[in-house]
Amino acid sequence: DQQVKQNSPSLSVQEGRISILNCDYTNSMFDYFLWYKKYPAEGPTFLISISSIKDKNEDGRFTVFLNKSAKHLSLHIVPSQPGDSAVYFCAVGVNAGGTSYGKLTFGQGTILTVHP
Amino acid sequence: KAGVTQTPRYLIKTRGQQVTLSCSPISGHRSVSWYQQTPGQGLQFLFEYFSETQRNKGNFPGRFSGRQFSNSRSEMNVSTLELGDSALYLCASRADSTYEQYFGPGTRLTVT
Repeated sequence: DQQVKQNSPSLSVQEGRISILNCDYTNSMFDYFLWYKKYPAEGPTFLISISSIKDKNEDGRFTVFLNKSAKHLSLHIVPSQPGDSAVYFCAVGVNAGGTSYGKLTFGQGTILTVHP
Repeated sequence: KAGVTQTPRYLIKTRGQQVTLSCSPISGHRSVSWYQQTPGQGLQFLFEYFSETQRNKGNFPGRFSGRQFSNSRSEMNVSTLELGDSALYLCASRADSTYEQYFGPGTRLTVT
């Protein structure tokens, strides 16, 4: 039973255009959400996060949107660059008084390819 | 600050053996979490240690265990290795009262 789903295994985008990566979750108890970028044989790199009290968070070219009613999370990358080509994972967690911050549940990942 | 470090980076073991992996968190981080990544199951949470105590545990058999030392460094141990334990093992650390986790480069374990 997958609690976090990234339904698009891959996404191909032209350099300079917008990349939109999507993530759906099933448990309304999740209250913090993160995006990671990963290259093969490396650990995930933290990109951006959002808590359930917000619906948008921006950091440079990266913006995360949260739609709690739809249980949907998205990452927008504008403009996309060839160096953004990697696997992107969404991850979610539950805050049980701060003691559960250490446990993240990950989606299966989306391979983003940005063409020059 | 130096990032999360993991040793060794690569390991080859045979079935039935045991293995110990090491993780040094970012300086000042007291929480260390461990994850297993496989092609079939993706990234799965193993356990979290905070101040030398296991605080959360994932759905893995008892062959997987861990510990944390007073300097926040952590080790995980897998006993009686099985072929299916071949995976990338990742550890991550985070600062107190934050939820952003920062990952190390991982240890690639191959069981033959």
